[in-house]
Amino acid sequence: DIQMTQSPSSVSASVGDRVTITCRASQGISTWLSWYQQKPGKAPKLLISAAVTLYSGVPSRFSGSASGTDFTLTISSLQPEDSAIYYCQQANRFPLTFGGGTRVEIK
Amino acid sequence: EVQLLQSAGGVVQPGGSLRLSCAASGFTFSGFAMSWVRQAPGKGLEWVSTFSGNGGRTYYADSVKGRFTISRDDSKNTLYLQMNSLSVEDTAVYYCAKDLDYGLGSFFSDFWGQGTLVTVSS
Repeated sequence: DIQMTQSPSSVSASVGDRVTITCRASQGISTWLSWYQQKPGKAPKLLISAAVTLYSGVPSRFSGSASGTDFTLTISSLQPEDSAIYYCQQANRFPLTFGGGTRVEIK
Repeated sequence: EVQLLQSAGGVVQPGGSLRLSCAASGFTFSGFAMSWVRQAPGKGLEWVSTFSGNGGRTYYADSVKGRFTISRDDSKNTLYLQMNSLSVEDTAVYYCAKDLDYGLGSFFSDFWGQGTLVTVSS
């Protein structure tokens, strides 16, 4: 199985800060990676697909990048509504696997 | 508007069975892969099963293989998850999710159901 290692597990930042979350795959997955945002008691929401493609309606402050087996989700200017848990997911092969999640809190 | 409406969950005794359903609307259901993803209380997301689009293949997590069965009725635009031999480790919120891409699927999920809590307890 492909392991997805997310870091950090939590981050606390101020409004307007730049926040970066990393996901490392245990083997090559090309760009078969997505990022989701989940708020308490709610279903996840797709932010990024294919490592870098912003999903329709997602604010442009969210962006994704890829380098080898390392993937990054960046929030360029943190907003209060971005407080949530973020997950990466690889879709290169089954079983599909998620990262452990990163909790983003607003200072 | 895409909607995924999940059935109610419930409390089931260990060893018991439960069937979840997910009624879809607002898109060509038969053409999209559909998945089940679960989340144990206070834990992260865990993929459970996928049924690829256009009458394709089924896939299962090892943790549920042989116990859970994913199926779909394209005439009713409904996805199912039959869960047998349930254990306390299966306690979770179960989400159905629609694939982003038409056809066999990309296995990225762009729409999710509201979630159904399944509690396995004696």
